[in-house]
Amino acid sequence: AQKVTQAQTEISVVEKEDVTLDCVYETRDTTYYLFWYKQPPSGELVFLIRRNSFDEQNEISGRYSWNFQKSTSSFNFTITASQVVDSAVYFCALSTDYKLSFGAGTTVTVRA
Amino acid sequence: NAGVMQNPRHLVRRRGQEARLRCSPMKGHSHVYWYRQLPEEGLKFMVYLQKENIIDESGMPKERFSAEFPKEGPSILRIQQVVRGDSAAYFCASSPRTAYQMNTEAFFGQGTRLTVV
Repeated sequence: AQKVTQAQTEISVVEKEDVTLDCVYETRDTTYYLFWYKQPPSGELVFLIRRNSFDEQNEISGRYSWNFQKSTSSFNFTITASQVVDSAVYFCALSTDYKLSFGAGTTVTVRA
Repeated sequence: NAGVMQNPRHLVRRRGQEARLRCSPMKGHSHVYWYRQLPEEGLKFMVYLQKENIIDESGMPKERFSAEFPKEGPSILRIQQVVRGDSAAYFCASSPRTAYQMNTEAFFGQGTRLTVV
């Protein structure tokens, strides 16, 4: 069985601060994919990143960066120099087949 | 190239009524997945369909819920005799082939927010 834990329920920061979202996963499969999605107040799901289990390279995309560590089963997400538009719920997800197992989400509030 | 289209975006039903949620996959996609997001929770897998076939309905409640993806037309998620606990956001995703091993991304629609009053 797959499980994704996002221990942080809510994070509140002031604009320009960095914020790191934790994601810990459990699976017995050796091949799997990890995802991050953003859900802004408007409600849609915005795909941010997909990473396979064989690629542990960290990735940076603009102000977003991801740290994948198989040794600790973690796939953490950092927003650098946060902006008000980053306010959203962020979901981490795991897949070993066609199903995505989502964490409960972390609500990020960025205050001006 | 239109994305995954879901309608309606918002649906209000009284207890005991039926709710029909529609999902038109992206052009060329023949695989559809439905997820439910209860308030303050993450999304939970409900069902995986291909054209005219239900592949995996392990996440569907045993009663009152059904899904179809006909040869022509959108996929339909149907909830009969709705109760307040069915209030949630229902998301549909599609992929061009089976997303097995997820080497292809599933694209999500904007969701349908069902409110049962």
